[in-house]
Amino acid sequence: AQSVTQLGSHVSVSEGALVLLRCNYSSSVPPYLFWYVQYPNQGLQLLLKYTSAATLVKGINGFEAEFKKSETSFHLTKPSAHMSDAAEYFCAVKDTGGFKTIFGAGTRLFVKA
Amino acid sequence: DTEVTQTPKHLVMGMTNKKSLKCEQHMGHRAMYWYKQKAKKPPELMFVYSYEKLSINESVPSRFSPECPNSSLLNLHLHALQPEDSALYLCASSQGTGYYEQYFGPGTRLTVT
Repeated sequence: AQSVTQLGSHVSVSEGALVLLRCNYSSSVPPYLFWYVQYPNQGLQLLLKYTSAATLVKGINGFEAEFKKSETSFHLTKPSAHMSDAAEYFCAVKDTGGFKTIFGAGTRLFVKA
Repeated sequence: DTEVTQTPKHLVMGMTNKKSLKCEQHMGHRAMYWYKQKAKKPPELMFVYSYEKLSINESVPSRFSPECPNSSLLNLHLHALQPEDSALYLCASSQGTGYYEQYFGPGTRLTVT
C-alpha cells in the first residue's frame, strides 16, 4: 500500500533562507506524488505534482521538488523563504487505482523575520 | 474558473439539528470528495463520488449523508451529530478518479454544541 512520511512536524527558517521540507514515500508501483499547502482557515492548494514526466518538478510560488527513486524521497524546496510562505504543507500520494489521496501528517513552516 | 465553493463558511448546530453543507464546482470535474479535518491533522477522506455515483464511503457514520444532485453539486446532510464531529469539512473535486490533482474548497467550520 502507498504511504508518505513527512519528517519534522515543525520547521522554522529565517526570511530569505532555504526552505527544505522532507517527504519519503512507500509505493509498490511508480507513485503519483503531490505537495499541497494549507494557509490558516483555508482549504488545500496544489503546489506541484510528480507524474514521472520529469524528476525535477517546478510548482507555484517558487517551490520545486525532486523525485529520487533511490532514496524514495520527494522533498520540497524553495531557495528563499518569504513571510507569506508560513503555512501547513502536506505531501500526498495517490493509492493504487487513483481513488484515494493519502496525505502525510503535515509540516508546519514558520518563517522568522 | 478553478474554484470550488462551499457554503456556509461557519456552522454551529445542536445535536438534534438537521443541516446541510453545500459544495459547487464549474470545472467540469467528474469526481467530488468530502473530507473531514481536525486541527493540526491531515484531511480524512469521507466520501468519493464519481460521475455522480457514490464510489467510496470510508465507513462514515450514518449521521452523515452525502448527496450528488448533479455533476457540479455535492451536499453533505448532517443529522444528530456529536460534539466530536466538530471539524473543518472540506470539499474537493478532480478531473476524474485517476491520478489527478484535487482542487479544494475553503471548507466549512462546523461546531456541534
